[in-house]
Amino acid sequence: DAGVTQSPTHLIKTRGQQVTLRCSPKSGHDTVSWYQQALGQGPQFIFQYYEEEERQRGNFPDRFSGHQFPNYSSELNVNALLLGDSALYLCASSYLLRGTYGYTFGSGTRLTVV
Amino acid sequence: AQSVAQPEDQVNVAEGNPLTVKCTYSVSGNPYLFWYVQYPNRGLQFLLKYITGDNLVKGSYGFEAEFNKSQTSFHLKKPSALVSDSALYFCAVRGSQGNLIFGKGTKLSVKP
Repeated sequence: DAGVTQSPTHLIKTRGQQVTLRCSPKSGHDTVSWYQQALGQGPQFIFQYYEEEERQRGNFPDRFSGHQFPNYSSELNVNALLLGDSALYLCASSYLLRGTYGYTFGSGTRLTVV
Repeated sequence: AQSVAQPEDQVNVAEGNPLTVKCTYSVSGNPYLFWYVQYPNRGLQFLLKYITGDNLVKGSYGFEAEFNKSQTSFHLKKPSALVSDSALYFCAVRGSQGNLIFGKGTKLSVKP
């Protein structure tokens, strides 16, 4: 089953550095969303990409940016890392913007900022 | 504003007993509701969703959820709990632009 694939699975970065996380959506899905899950919390929406454009954004600073490629895969970039950026970053894919047919999540990338 | 509340941080159940994990929601219009499960150090696995239709939704692994519009609730249920059901459960509602809004999660612990 070609589900959602995220890489890397774990990452350790130093404060002030930049990081790029990658996501390949489920086959047939064209929309990718990114979520941040801090320890002990529910996932928080970062942004959503459709047709290579950011379609909507949650309450996250501009240090968080992204990209979607023609093959629907996506990257999440975080600049000037803070200790508080340590979290599990989840990618979710869906078909069409409104996700009527559901969302499939990847296993996530665990980012630790030291 | 759209939101989801999971009033219990933890639910403890004995194996073989029925379980209920509670969720209430606040949305304008008709809600699209979801339940996901998360095992340690893993992503979210889809259990079930309510879009429209029957108020009792059946999902994966024997779970079901009851949609109650008057009480704005969407409680997750299972008739007979297994130790392997122990995990973190998240209720979510679809936001106005297609994003998911999650509750803070409920830890389910099933003891033998």
